[in-house]
Amino acid sequence: GAGVSQSPSNKVTEKGKDVELRCDPISGHTALYWYRQSLGQGLEFLIYFQGNSAPDKSGLPSDRFSAERTGGSVSTLTIQRTQQEDSAVYLCASSVFADTQYFGPGTRLTVL
Amino acid sequence: DQQVKQNSPSLSVQEGRISILNCDYTNSMFDYFLWYKKYPAEGPTFLISISSIKDKNEDGRFTVFLNKSAKHLSLHIVPSQPGDSAVYFCAASASGAGSYQLTFGKGTKLSVIP
Repeated sequence: GAGVSQSPSNKVTEKGKDVELRCDPISGHTALYWYRQSLGQGLEFLIYFQGNSAPDKSGLPSDRFSAERTGGSVSTLTIQRTQQEDSAVYLCASSVFADTQYFGPGTRLTVL
Repeated sequence: DQQVKQNSPSLSVQEGRISILNCDYTNSMFDYFLWYKKYPAEGPTFLISISSIKDKNEDGRFTVFLNKSAKHLSLHIVPSQPGDSAVYFCAASASGAGSYQLTFGKGTKLSVIP
């Protein structure tokens, strides 16, 4: 079956612009996660969605970051007024409840 | 403050020999540990996990050992194959509220030499 997909695979933007990153989770997975991997670092938790519950946004680094999950499926991570330190690979994962997380290939964001 | 540490950024091993990847953690609340493998331009793939009620879990060529008193775990790959060349991430979580939240190490790049 299809795994987690993310788009775009690469995004280059100018400092100050807004970007939207998309995640399509595995069908039937109730939980969806966003992580960020900066150069030379481990994966950093950003946000968690579970069904219709309020998301856990505790990992979002600033109020420039927000995420939505529409209809309990597709999710969009939005970064407003991008900064150079936002450059990273943004990874999405999904799971059945809080079980094993399956990751997408990621979106590599470069802020010039 | 890194709660999960992988102190070796890279490791080279001959094909057929044992690969040992190490991971240390500082948070005593962690009670579930996972290893993920990542190839370039792909997302991490779940490999093996272990609960703190065990000290060993085995799956084919992969074995994870947990030493709770030392807050240390290791992944053994025997025998190592060239296809095992990848970055390996150690991750941990704590049961209870927020148990879904994985804390990752920085990864160890394993190169298996044919």
